[in-house]
Amino acid sequence: NAGVTQTPKFRVLKTGQSMTLLCAQDMNHEYMYWYRQDPGMGLRLIHYSVGEGTTAKGEVPDGYNVSRLKKQNFLLGLESAAPSQTSVYFCASKKGGSTGELFFGEGSRLTVL
Amino acid sequence: AQTVTQSQPEMSVQEAETVTLSCTYDTSESDYYLFWYKQPPSRQMILVIRQEAYKQQNATENRFSVNFQKAAKSFSLKISDSQLGDAAMYFCAYSPVQGAQKLVFGQGTRLTINP
Repeated sequence: NAGVTQTPKFRVLKTGQSMTLLCAQDMNHEYMYWYRQDPGMGLRLIHYSVGEGTTAKGEVPDGYNVSRLKKQNFLLGLESAAPSQTSVYFCASKKGGSTGELFFGEGSRLTVL
Repeated sequence: AQTVTQSQPEMSVQEAETVTLSCTYDTSESDYYLFWYKQPPSRQMILVIRQEAYKQQNATENRFSVNFQKAAKSFSLKISDSQLGDAAMYFCAYSPVQGAQKLVFGQGTRLTINP
């Protein structure tokens, strides 16, 4: 029962480097989301997707790109990392249109030096 | 845009006592969902309780209950018989019924349980 899996769990980057966070879910959920968590600010939505091949901007999309080429995967990319992107990133998924809960991954801690 | 506010950055309670965490929200929608999530040190986000706005009855889950005041846009969480395992960050969240159902989170309240 994997649920939502994020890789990697931890990463340290230098300013200007690029990286991709992978989110995979095995529940056949339509909707997927990327959030970032910062102290005192709760979780803020970066990008989301309501289906394969579709993506949309959330509250804090600048500096990030996403892709949803397969229904089960949602990738978050940082093209040129900045120290302001140091954060804990959470992926989540849910069945579209349901009253059900959001299922979260375990989070990925990213540090940009 | 919808907003969620948790005005208590930190709370503490004695083990076995009752504690209430506050949450207010702002929306122009008449139907929506409200949630409380728990985040222990493991960082995992765990759903504690869910309320559907069209239901007037307050949701309960064992020792956890809510006081949902729709007119006041208030959604507080009561934890009865507090246990050491309840120590965590607690997040209040709002979701619309329609569209992408994007969750909007409050800032969080860190709950400490004193033995």
